[in-house]
Amino acid sequence: NAGVTQTPKFRVLKTGQSMTLLCAQDMNHEYMYWYRQDPGMGLRLIHYSVGEGTTAKGEVPDGYNVSRLKKQNFLLGLESAAPSQTSVYFCASNLGQANTEAFFGQGTRLTVV
Amino acid sequence: KQEVTQIPAALSVPEGENLVLNCSFTDSAIYNLQWFRQDPGKGLTSLLLIQSSQREQTSGRLNASLDKSSGRSTLYIAASQPGDSATYLCAVEGGGSYIPTFGRGTSLIVHP
Repeated sequence: NAGVTQTPKFRVLKTGQSMTLLCAQDMNHEYMYWYRQDPGMGLRLIHYSVGEGTTAKGEVPDGYNVSRLKKQNFLLGLESAAPSQTSVYFCASNLGQANTEAFFGQGTRLTVV
Repeated sequence: KQEVTQIPAALSVPEGENLVLNCSFTDSAIYNLQWFRQDPGKGLTSLLLIQSSQREQTSGRLNASLDKSSGRSTLYIAASQPGDSATYLCAVEGGGSYIPTFGRGTSLIVHP
């Protein structure tokens, strides 16, 4: 059981370039999330999805887009990367039910130069 | 909107000490609270999940308690070891949302 898998694990982008981060889960979870983690800031929610075909904005959505075409995948896109998007990105998923655990991927370290 | 606060932000203790990490939240209508550990440059490892109906959970030297009425959870680490050095994060789901909301974490250093 792989859990939550993120690709890539590391990436360096130039300002203005675009990229897509992929998150895949094999637990049949309804809810999926993208967070970013910056020093001293904890994890902040970027976007989330409560089911296939749905997406919603989180706390810090500007500069990002997401898609959930398949239940098991949640994609995070950066259309025009900026240095302020240098961060560690985490994907997570859960059932969307009380008293159940959230599972996290191992993170993607993105540097925008 | 749920807000989660963790105190202290950083903690440095000698090996062998028992210690308490605190997590407080503003909306007491929670579904569950989860404690995570994060090693430098690594992902999040789930330590304990406390369900809304539970008062505490234990795993080895770790004990987490939950008091919904006061909006608090504590993570107790017994007989701390250098290998316990990490950042500890608490995440709360509730207030009508299953989205985990995180505190900023407590950075723990246990020195020999």
